[in-house]
Amino acid sequence: EVRLVQSGAEVKRPGESLKISCKGSGYSFTSFWIGWVRQMPGKGLEWMGIIYPGDSDTRYRPSFQGQVTISADESINTAYLQWSSLKVSDTAMYYCATGGEVYKYWGQGTLVTVSS
Amino acid sequence: DIVMTQSPDSLAVSLGERATINCKSSQSVLYSSSNKNYLAWYQQKPGQPPKLLIYWASTRESGVPDRFSGSGSGTDFTLTISNLQAGDVAVYYCQQYYTTPTFGGGTKVEIK
Repeated sequence: EVRLVQSGAEVKRPGESLKISCKGSGYSFTSFWIGWVRQMPGKGLEWMGIIYPGDSDTRYRPSFQGQVTISADESINTAYLQWSSLKVSDTAMYYCATGGEVYKYWGQGTLVTVSS
Repeated sequence: DIVMTQSPDSLAVSLGERATINCKSSQSVLYSSSNKNYLAWYQQKPGQPPKLLIYWASTRESGVPDRFSGSGSGTDFTLTISNLQAGDVAVYYCQQYYTTPTFGGGTKVEIK
């Protein structure tokens, strides 16, 4: 069974750093792109970027380029989404997803709350 | 970016009736060499991640009831939910994967 398990909810202050994770199991982790999707409170889905764990090839939506860093550690089948300096506007649910050209498998989501 | 525009924003349908959701892309998502439309539909229920329903515009994902059907080509697409059930209450999103993926704004389906 394919599973993506994300790290737990986070509450942070503006300016703090954060790294959330997404651990894959039940499939060849290095063979499929993993994407990250943001959902701000009460809003729709925004594709942020993707990584191919096999060679760490990474692509970003231009609006997220430089704002976040996507990485992966194939030795532990885990992808990451990282911020160096959080903003209040980063408050959202973040999902990882995989499955080929469309997202057949999704993590449960990680709620990130940034508040002073 | 390809902009995906869904309509309506929300609709209320009686149990057993049909719901129709439209999705329009700002440019064609039909890849001519394969004759495939790079268009998917997802269902998101409250407190849950999205669930893939349809890909290649009309191919149902395994396990998805045949009450859900997708149609359209090029820039205009439709998701139809026949015989609406209470469990279909959700927000539905279209997504193009022809280029850098983008989602539509979502359509909320409720019971009338």
